[in-house]
Amino acid sequence: QKEVEQNSGPLSVPEGAIASLNCTYSDRGSQSFFWYRQYSGKSPELIMFIYSNGDKEDGRFTAQLNKASQYVSLLIRDSQPSDSATYLCAAGGNNDMRFGAGTRLTVKP
Amino acid sequence: GAVVSQHPSWVICKSGTSVKIECRSLDFQATTMFWYRQFPKQSLMLMATSNEGSKATYEQGVEKDKFLINHASLTLSTLTVTSAHPEDSSFYICSAPDRFYEQYFGPGTRLTVT
Repeated sequence: QKEVEQNSGPLSVPEGAIASLNCTYSDRGSQSFFWYRQYSGKSPELIMFIYSNGDKEDGRFTAQLNKASQYVSLLIRDSQPSDSATYLCAAGGNNDMRFGAGTRLTVKP
Repeated sequence: GAVVSQHPSWVICKSGTSVKIECRSLDFQATTMFWYRQFPKQSLMLMATSNEGSKATYEQGVEKDKFLINHASLTLSTLTVTSAHPEDSSFYICSAPDRFYEQYFGPGTRLTVT
């Protein structure tokens, strides 16, 4: 069974703080990893994707991948109330995409 | 970026009737599309993988005779919920990957069965 695990949260951080979201995956054949943000009642929207070990930064977001540990994380710097949402981690291979259950993040003003 | 559309965006139907949901990739071809279901405050649950020109692959526990999937072209997949019941009320979302496996999601279809 290919699994993607996330802490369900809720994770609460004050405005301006760093939010850290974590994810582990079981399928070593996974080749690409994604972080999606989903607001209530809406479809997920892509924040970042990462394929290689190490860090990838895009604005306030940094994705980290460690294939040896089968671990992916997302850091959100200078968190804003508008970042409050559910964050979904996904791992994919050849036409196969598995999602974690999502972590609910609340950024308090 | 690529766009995936779904139609309808919401539908209300009576118990026992069938409902068809369309998923279209508007500016790219998708040999594979995914269908998800999401209940309130829960994560996406993969229902099935739709393959153009062949049978869909269903996840364990998903009734293939109840959720009919047809991927008739490289830009269109349909999900038909047959003999719908109130417990089928949910948010149905499709997605299609590009060649880098990035998933483009449709806006979702909210189904309410009364």
